[in-house]
Amino acid sequence: EDKVVQSPLSLVVHEGDTVTLNCSYEVTNFRSLLWYKQEKKAPTFLFMLTSSGIEKKSGRLSSILDKKELSSILNITATQTGDSAIYLCAVEKYPDNYGQNFVFGPGTRLSVLP
Amino acid sequence: EAGVAQSPRYKIIEKRQSVAFWCNPISGHATLYWYQQILGQGPKLLIQFQNNGVVDDSQLPKDRFSAERLKGVDSTLKIQPAKLEDSAVYLCASSLDGGGPGPQFFGPGTRLTVL
Repeated sequence: EDKVVQSPLSLVVHEGDTVTLNCSYEVTNFRSLLWYKQEKKAPTFLFMLTSSGIEKKSGRLSSILDKKELSSILNITATQTGDSAIYLCAVEKYPDNYGQNFVFGPGTRLSVLP
Repeated sequence: EAGVAQSPRYKIIEKRQSVAFWCNPISGHATLYWYQQILGQGPKLLIQFQNNGVVDDSQLPKDRFSAERLKGVDSTLKIQPAKLEDSAVYLCASSLDGGGPGPQFFGPGTRLTVL
């Protein structure tokens, strides 16, 4: 059965700290790994990592894919209170027939205190 | 570019009542997904459409849930009758599925409370 695991499930830090969120997966026919930020309801897309793009960076956020270890990390440096959210990791699989197919992890709830 | 639209944003019903949610995906997106997200958990796929055909509905409780995407654009998800455990956020998402990997984009969701 396909599985995406995230750790920690919950994290509390202070502004200015650096955090590392982890995602590991066991899926058949891996295609890409995605990170989303969920503040209120709708997850918003952060990064997509594939075999041809294993490292992405945007401002204070960066992410690396380790295909050998079947895992990924999301780093946030100099955290701000606005970074408080649930961070979801999802893995896209090559579909059996057609279309796209995603498996989500449970998310990491990050709380950044002032 | 307009995002994924969903309505209503909130709904409170009593158990055994019926409820329907609506979703309009991003224009041109072939694939549409309905997810159920229970508090503290990641989104769980209920049903996935490719244009107007069902690709995956293996986790849809078909005795009470139904969904359609008749013209391959917008979609409705219905629960009839609702149970207490259906209280969750229902997220609609769409993706381009242009033949390569790509993200899905989510709507604002509908928070359903079943009393």
